[in-house]
Amino acid sequence: AQSVTQLDSHVSVSEGTPVLLRCNYSSSYSPSLFWYVQHPNKGLQLLLKYTSAATLVKGINGFEAEFKKSETSFHLTKPSAHMSDAAEYFCVVSDSSGYALNFGKGTSLLVTP
Amino acid sequence: SQTIHQWPATLVQPVGSPLSLECTVEGTSNPNLYWYRQAAGRGLQLLFYSVGIGQISSEVPQNLSASRPQDRQFILSSKKLLLSDSGFYLCARQGIAGNTIYFGEGSWLTVV
Repeated sequence: AQSVTQLDSHVSVSEGTPVLLRCNYSSSYSPSLFWYVQHPNKGLQLLLKYTSAATLVKGINGFEAEFKKSETSFHLTKPSAHMSDAAEYFCVVSDSSGYALNFGKGTSLLVTP
Repeated sequence: SQTIHQWPATLVQPVGSPLSLECTVEGTSNPNLYWYRQAAGRGLQLLFYSVGIGQISSEVPQNLSASRPQDRQFILSSKKLLLSDSGFYLCARQGIAGNTIYFGEGSWLTVV
């Protein structure tokens, strides 16, 4: 079985400061991992994905994530937060069939001026 | 294109009334399609997925059903809505290149 745990339900940062959203995964095989962002009342947008290539994955809007097998982590980072980054972020692992994704509970990112 | 169209965007329905949410996708033929539900304060729950016309797999027992009458059309239905059916419903498709899933804009359902 595979699952993800997002360690923080809410994160608050000031505009211009770094962002760290934490995600640990559990998987019995080499996982595919994703980060999605959801702005209020919108669908989910893919930020980035890891599929066993480079461990440091760069995504859209300046976000990146590093796959660390030894720590079973896939934390999302951004050097400098922007007001428009305020949203819900989901860490996701693909199941073995490839048909469905297992979602974390989400982390709500608040960016203050 | 991986465009996904969902409608209606918002819906308020009384308990016991029927439901039909529609999803159509553009792009390659025979995509894997999904219905997810996002209830308030909870994560996303996979409801149904389909690998082809007329092929529906249900992930959880519930008051809802799904159908795929055409290759690029996926419909979520209910004969009688319950209060607990309220939530944000997302249609999704599997990407061309692999197991990445792309989402539509969602449909808000409020059952009153």
